Amino acid sequence: KAGVTQTPRYLIKTRGQQVTLSCSPISGHRSVSWYQQTPGQGLQFLFEYFSETQRNKGNFPGRFSGRQFSNSRSEMNVSTLELGDSALYLCASSLGLAGYLEQYFGPGTRLTVT
Amino acid sequence: KNEVEQSPQNLTAQEGEFITINCSYSVGISALHWLQQHPGGGIVSLFMLSSGKKKHGRLIATINIQEKHSSLHITASHPRDSAVYICAAGTPGGGADGLTFGKGTHLIIQP
Repeated sequence: KAGVTQTPRYLIKTRGQQVTLSCSPISGHRSVSWYQQTPGQGLQFLFEYFSETQRNKGNFPGRFSGRQFSNSRSEMNVSTLELGDSALYLCASSLGLAGYLEQYFGPGTRLTVT
Repeated sequence: KNEVEQSPQNLTAQEGEFITINCSYSVGISALHWLQQHPGGGIVSLFMLSSGKKKHGRLIATINIQEKHSSLHITASHPRDSAVYICAAGTPGGGADGLTFGKGTHLIIQP
């Protein structure tokens, strides 16, 4: 069974631009969660989608948004990029709610904002 | 909000040594996750446990619910075990938003 895939793997953007990251979960998994990882803050929860519905969102500004499609693929978008948005963005999929079930992580997208 | 503390933050050991990484949390949980992250960023889920002990190869994870403490042990450590190990506590009723992550333990196993 194919694992979680994320595209692109690396991205360099300029301050003020916007970016869209994509995540394809393991086949049959209905939950997709997004996390931001930085050296200073560690792993932080961004949002979780389950059956195309955003279940909850972490403590991030409205510039961060996402969605999930009927095939469970998910995208996250960051508008008006800031230098502080430079991070590794990870998505993870699971059969159900992430807190109760094992999550399978993708390789991540490393975003650099200059 | 759950507080998750990991220790040690950094650990360097020789090949073959027995390794222990500790994780403490402040409030009741639904499950405790142990994750492994290699250089390059990819994260692998090692264990998810809510009681007792689990073993997979040379890795053993234990949890003491009363003491709100979990440990990850590596027996006969090998340089390929070098990675960052992260514990995450899930709160009852929560999904991914209920997961609180520790800061991670950076483990280096020298040949």
